[in-house]
Parts: sequence; structure tokens; C-alpha cells
Amino acid sequence: GAVVSQHPSWVICKSGTSVKIECRSLDFQATTMFWYRQFPKQSLMLMATSNEGSKATYEQGVEKDKFLINHASLTLSTLTVTSAHPEDSSFYICSAEAAHGSSSYNEQFFGPGTRLTVL
Amino acid sequence: GQNIDQPTEMTATEGAIVQINCTYQTSGFNGLFWYQQHAGEAPTFLSYNVLDGLEEKGRFSSFLSRSKGYSYLLLKELQMKDSASYLCAPMDSNYQLIWGAGTKLIIKP
Repeated sequence: GAVVSQHPSWVICKSGTSVKIECRSLDFQATTMFWYRQFPKQSLMLMATSNEGSKATYEQGVEKDKFLINHASLTLSTLTVTSAHPEDSSFYICSAEAAHGSSSYNEQFFGPGTRLTVL
Repeated sequence: GQNIDQPTEMTATEGAIVQINCTYQTSGFNGLFWYQQHAGEAPTFLSYNVLDGLEEKGRFSSFLSRSKGYSYLLLKELQMKDSASYLCAPMDSNYQLIWGAGTKLIIKP
């Protein structure tokens, strides 16, 4: 089946530093990848939609200069949290979209998530 | 606006059946997904409904009524490993998933 990996699984960093999170589709090509953030006991919040070779589309309220997204290939998207602050501490999850066989919908396969703690 | 309504938490007994309801309001509709999310992990796909009716997949079934903006997830023969949050996520006219906070299901022996 479709597998999506994320690296790192967890990261602790000092306030003001930048953190890069990688999202890879391991056995399929994903033209579209999504980046989500989830705070404890809250719903998934879509941050941005990333299409290979083009600029990411950010959701309202998400700072594109703070959350840099690069989707350089059909199997890799990266999210860089620049100048991280404690309020950026969260669970960051990526997903990759793949066609579901002969079905009419595309299924999102989620990575395992990255837990970011900013001290 | 777009809205998802699910119970915050439910408790059921191992071996029993539980139904998790979801009502939704979206701008357009392109189907509804159910995902399972264990604590500290990413969601995993359970089901997709785009037409009215019941879709059965093993111990899990999902029902959709588009006219009522209503779906439910039915879990049979509950096992302890089914303790998780269950997320109802309709897809809007832009093919974007709309996420609610999910229902935390607690299974007791």
C-alpha cells in the first residue's frame, strides 16, 4: 500500500532556530501533498497544500514566510519552520494524495507526524 | 460556514457495537471520509462514502445521507485496540477535507 514517511519523528529546538521536516511518499508519486498541524485534543488544521513544481497554497492565517514549503519532486515535500517560538510547538503531519485504484476519489495517506517542541 | 459535529467522547464495552454519528455542513460535497487516529499518531483511512447508503468493510461500516448532511461509523465486535479518536471528514467543492475534532472512543473490558 501507499506509505508516507516523515523525518524527524520528534524534534526539540531552541526558540529562534529553524526546523526542517521532510515528507516522502515511498512507493508512489504524489503530485499533491498537504501539511497539517494538530494541537492536543484539537482537530487537524490544514496549513498548506503543496503541488510539485509550484508554490504552495497557504490557508488563511498561516504565515508563508514563517512556514516555508518546498515540493521539489513527486516524492518529497519539506516544511521549514523558521524562527520557531514556543507557540509553534505542535504535532505536524503531512499527507500525500494518491489515486485510489479505479475509484473516483483520491485518498490521502498520512505520514506518522513530527512532534515539535520549541523551548 | 463549514462545520462538523461529532460527540466529543464515547465509551463502549469490549465485544459490543458502537455507532459514532457525524453531521456536517460544507460548501459543496465530494464525499466523506472516516479516519482513525490513535493518540500521538497520524490518522489512518477507514472508509469513504460518496453515495447514500451503507458501506461495509469488515468490522467497520459507514453510512451516508447526503440530504441530511449525516454520516455514521459503526464498529462491531469492539476490541481494546479500537480505542482511538475517529475523525469524520467531508470533502468540500474544492476537494478539500474539512476536519472536526473527532470522537474519542474509550473501550472498557
